Amino acid sequence: GAVVSQHPSRVICKSGTSVKIECRSLDFQATTMFWYRQFPKQSLMLMATSNEGSKATYEQGVEKDKFLINHASLTLSTLTVTSAHPEDSSFYICSARDWGTGSPDTQYFGPGTRLTVL
Amino acid sequence: AQRVTQPEKLLSVFKGAPVELKCNYSYSGSPELFWYVQYSRQRLQLLLRHISRESIKGFTADLNKGETSFHLKKPFAQEEDSAMYYCALSYQGAQKLVFGQGTRLTINP
Repeated sequence: GAVVSQHPSRVICKSGTSVKIECRSLDFQATTMFWYRQFPKQSLMLMATSNEGSKATYEQGVEKDKFLINHASLTLSTLTVTSAHPEDSSFYICSARDWGTGSPDTQYFGPGTRLTVL
Repeated sequence: AQRVTQPEKLLSVFKGAPVELKCNYSYSGSPELFWYVQYSRQRLQLLLRHISRESIKGFTADLNKGETSFHLKKPFAQEEDSAMYYCALSYQGAQKLVFGQGTRLTINP
């Protein structure tokens, strides 16, 4: 149980285009999901907390208009990188908390999405 | 500010030898500490948390508030332990996680 999926796993896009990444909790409901960014050989950095039915909470330094987050249902959160530029190239990882069967302080991670902006 | 430090980016030990992955943290409140592991080509997964005081796959970690440390230990390393290990601190009512830089552990045969 407690599986989180991400789609796509890899995406390559041209500079100036927008890219949407989906994060789904497959077998549980997630009122809260988290979006992280990981640069090569570096740690995960929390970008924002996605709350179902309300606005996301962004970490300091993260551009809200650049990284649009929508959490429209209890099993789906999306991250849209708008007007992507090469510096947005990174590994994006989502996680979700399972308040049902699992411990609420446990985050279950998706496999990540590799974004490359040309 | 919350911070987690893993001083070793790389750690290599022989099979059967003891392993210790270091983790230090800074946090003014009461911390909740975790160890996450990422095996090759797999997603990040929880290894253990300090609250549970459990041993998972032979690994243990004790929270030392005096030294602000949460080192991960295993008395006899196995080849399947080779992976990337991240120490993490939870704050704001377990809503957020701060990760250390990670330590890549390699177990040599």
